[in-house]
Amino acid sequence: RKEVEQDPGPFNVPEGATVAFNCTYSNSASQSFFWYRQDCRKEPKLLMSVYSSGNEDGRFTAQLNRASQYISLLIRDSKLSDSATYLCVVNMKAGSYQKVTFGTGTKLQVIP
Amino acid sequence: ETGVTQTPRHLVMGMTNKKSLKCEQHLGHNAMYWYKQSAKKPLELMFVYSLEERVENNSVPSRFSPECPNSSHLFLHLHTLQPEDSALYLCASSQGGVGGAFFGQGTRLTVV
Repeated sequence: RKEVEQDPGPFNVPEGATVAFNCTYSNSASQSFFWYRQDCRKEPKLLMSVYSSGNEDGRFTAQLNRASQYISLLIRDSKLSDSATYLCVVNMKAGSYQKVTFGTGTKLQVIP
Repeated sequence: ETGVTQTPRHLVMGMTNKKSLKCEQHLGHNAMYWYKQSAKKPLELMFVYSLEERVENNSVPSRFSPECPNSSHLFLHLHTLQPEDSALYLCASSQGGVGGAFFGQGTRLTVV
C-alpha cells in the first residue's frame, strides 16, 4: 500500500462547480498534513495546512479525519485559474527534520 | 519571493559533463531536500539534509552527489548522467517538525 494515495484524475469540471479531492495515508503516526498546488512545469506551492477542526481559506476548505486516515480538499465556485495538480502531503517528525511524503497528485481541469 | 532559490533554472549537459545545481534558502530552516520530478511522474525524494547532515538517501545512483556546506546552502553535483536523468530537480526546505516544506522554482535539466 502506498504511504499516501490520491485519485490521479483528471477531474474535469465546469466553472462555478464544487469539486472535492480525497487522500488517504497509511502511517497513523503522521503528524501534519498539507495540500500543495502544482502548475504545469512549475514547483509545488503550499496551498493550506489541514487540521482535524477543518481549515477554510476563501473558496478552499480542507479537512482531516485522523480516525479514518483521510484528508479532503473542497473547492467551491471553481475558477479557470484553479486548474492545476493538487498534491496531498503527509509529514512525520523524524528527529530534527520532517519526513515529507507526497501523494501522486490529482489533476483538476476547470472548463469554461 | 519563495525564500528558496535555485540556480540555474535551466541546464543542458552532455553525458560526459560535470555540473552542479545550487539551492539557497533564506528562511532559517534546518532541513533541506532534493527531489526529482520526471515528466508526468510524481515527486521522488532523493536526499534529505538535517542540520547539515545527510539523513536520507533514497537509493540514488552515485552519479548524483549532494553537498550541504551549511544550513542555508545545498548543492547537487552531477557527473556522467544519462538521458533518463533529464527531469525537473527541486530543492525544498523546512523547519524541524513544524509547518510545510517550501520549494525553489527548480532546475530543468536536459541530458543530451
